[in-house]
Amino acid sequence: DGGITQSPKYLFRKEGQNVTLSCEQNLNHDAMYWYRQDPGQGLRLIYYSQIVNDFQKGDIAEGYSVSREKKESFPLTVTSAQKNPTAFYLCASSGSGDRSPLHFGNGTRLTVT
Amino acid sequence: RKEVEQDPGPFNVPEGATVAFNCTYSNSASQSFFWYRQDCRKEPKLLMSVYSSGNEDGRFTAQLNRASQYISLLIRDSKLSDSATYLCVVLYNTDKLIFGTGTRLQVFP
Repeated sequence: DGGITQSPKYLFRKEGQNVTLSCEQNLNHDAMYWYRQDPGQGLRLIYYSQIVNDFQKGDIAEGYSVSREKKESFPLTVTSAQKNPTAFYLCASSGSGDRSPLHFGNGTRLTVT
Repeated sequence: RKEVEQDPGPFNVPEGATVAFNCTYSNSASQSFFWYRQDCRKEPKLLMSVYSSGNEDGRFTAQLNRASQYISLLIRDSKLSDSATYLCVVLYNTDKLIFGTGTRLQVFP
């Protein structure tokens, strides 16, 4: 079955450590996205990529980095520079065209203490 | 004004009720519109796209009013399993998706 996979589901880290969240899709989608969701808030865009080897900052990119070396993969690194990293992180992908909806992975819940 | 606004609720309704949510958007150039459903601590899942002519999928009806810049979602014959948060999503500039904060629905027996 085609889909988008995030791992791990739960991640715990100490403050000051970088951590990388995995996102893989086998939907052959060109576009991939990373969102962050905090309690009671809407999804906020961190980074997105429309094509391999290219990506753009979203609304809250500070303290995060990404790479897009393969079409299937769009890992997100949460660096120690991110002030409030504890959140629910969602990866998504979409096909081409304005009407292509987002397909989400099941999320990674990151807790930094 | 927020780019996409939703009443956070919660909307508490009995089983079998009809309930409607609205979502307003500020950018008149918005191109595509979607409703997503999100269960507690899970990822959002596409419920339906919203087309200019309005569209229906079973008990769910979505409508778009471009003049007043809002979309709506109507749920008929509510089920307990409809309890969730409903997210309004608006696309503009061909690549910018804006999410509302969601409307929480709680259906009780």
